[in-house]
Amino acid sequence: AQSVAQPEDQVNVAEGNPLTVKCTYSVSGNPYLFWYVQYPNRGLQFLLKYITGDNLVKGSYGFEAEFNKSQTSFHLKKPSALVSDSALYFCATAHNTDKLIFGTGTRLQVFP
Amino acid sequence: GAGVSQSPSNKVTEKGKDVELRCDPISGHTALYWYRQSLGQGLEFLIYFQGNSAPDKSGLPSDRFSAERTGGSVSTLTIQRTQQEDSAVYLCASSLVITDTQYFGPGTRLTVL
Repeated sequence: AQSVAQPEDQVNVAEGNPLTVKCTYSVSGNPYLFWYVQYPNRGLQFLLKYITGDNLVKGSYGFEAEFNKSQTSFHLKKPSALVSDSALYFCATAHNTDKLIFGTGTRLQVFP
Repeated sequence: GAGVSQSPSNKVTEKGKDVELRCDPISGHTALYWYRQSLGQGLEFLIYFQGNSAPDKSGLPSDRFSAERTGGSVSTLTIQRTQQEDSAVYLCASSLVITDTQYFGPGTRLTVL
């Protein structure tokens, strides 16, 4: 079965420092991987996706993610964190390219 | 352009009542999905519609849950005889086609007393 894992419930980082939110995947066939962000009392906002092509994917708000096949990882990164990046982040994979299967989420807290 | 909209934003109901949740997808999107977000279960898929094809209902947790999509646009998720464990945020998403990025609405927070 397809799945993704987010090993950290919470990540704390100081503003201006680089941030990483981890995601590993377990899929059969070609992985379709996504990152979404959820701000308080809001729906999910799409950040970026990997379907095929370059392993480094750039997305919204300065975020990027690196697809690593050997480590089965798709970590979300940003070179310099902002307080406004504080939110709940979800990694997801698409089962047969349709319905999304989500990780448990990682709460990012950026401190001023 | 307009995003996915959902109504109501909040719904409080009594155990045993039926509820209907509405989703308006992005215009022109042929695929529509329902997900549920709850503390105990995280984010889980419920059902999706793709054009005129039969919907994929594999995520519906019980036969009390049903959904329809009229005219290939608006969708309604119906929960009959609500239970307290149905309390969750119900999220709707749409995509241009089934393989495209899904865009989510703000959700409906359902509270069953």
